[in-house]
Amino acid sequence: DTAVSQTPKYLVTQMGNDKSIKCEQNLGHDTMYWYKQDSKKFLKIMFSYNNKELIINETVPNRFSPKSPDKAHLNLHINSLELGDSAVYFCASSQRSGISGDTQYFGPGTRLTVL
Amino acid sequence: KQEVTQIPAALSVPEGENLVLNCSFTDSAIYNLQWFRQDPGKGLTSLLLIQSSQREQTSGRLNASLDKSSGRSTLYIAASQPGDSATYLCAVRGNTPLVFGKGTRLSVIA
Repeated sequence: DTAVSQTPKYLVTQMGNDKSIKCEQNLGHDTMYWYKQDSKKFLKIMFSYNNKELIINETVPNRFSPKSPDKAHLNLHINSLELGDSAVYFCASSQRSGISGDTQYFGPGTRLTVL
Repeated sequence: KQEVTQIPAALSVPEGENLVLNCSFTDSAIYNLQWFRQDPGKGLTSLLLIQSSQREQTSGRLNASLDKSSGRSTLYIAASQPGDSATYLCAVRGNTPLVFGKGTRLSVIA
């Protein structure tokens, strides 16, 4: 029973292309996140959605656009891919996004390589 | 701006040893601190979450402590096993989203 799933697991594409990464959670959580882990393994939050509404948008280029069709899904669409976008992207979810927060559960990651 | 540092960056120990991983953070105004494990090519697995009002949490052979005033947390692993080999990440939650350290890469040698 996969709690947080992402597709695809690997994505190799050319510069300038547009691509999407999908994320689904079956935990019934209210909040979902996207994180980027760069080549130095540094993990940093990109976006957070609570009940389909954007609540956190860190300093991410507007080429990145999250889409939440429902509470269980948070997809990441990237336009005009650049070499620097190459990284591992993790989706996560938690029960709620309150001040104290809850344990976050992570997906397996999507390794994006831009050539 | 919150910064999280983990020391050491890498650690190699023989099987059976007890070990301590360290995490420090610059802004003590946190709500909770979470320890994760990351296996190569895989996602993060949550190990322990300590609320700011707590001093420690235990799960099996793992014990995490939190000293909020000094900005420090430790993860103690008892009787280490080769299956414990992974990267261990510390993350803090305050007014900002989760801020992660760069992790400690642990190798337990059989």
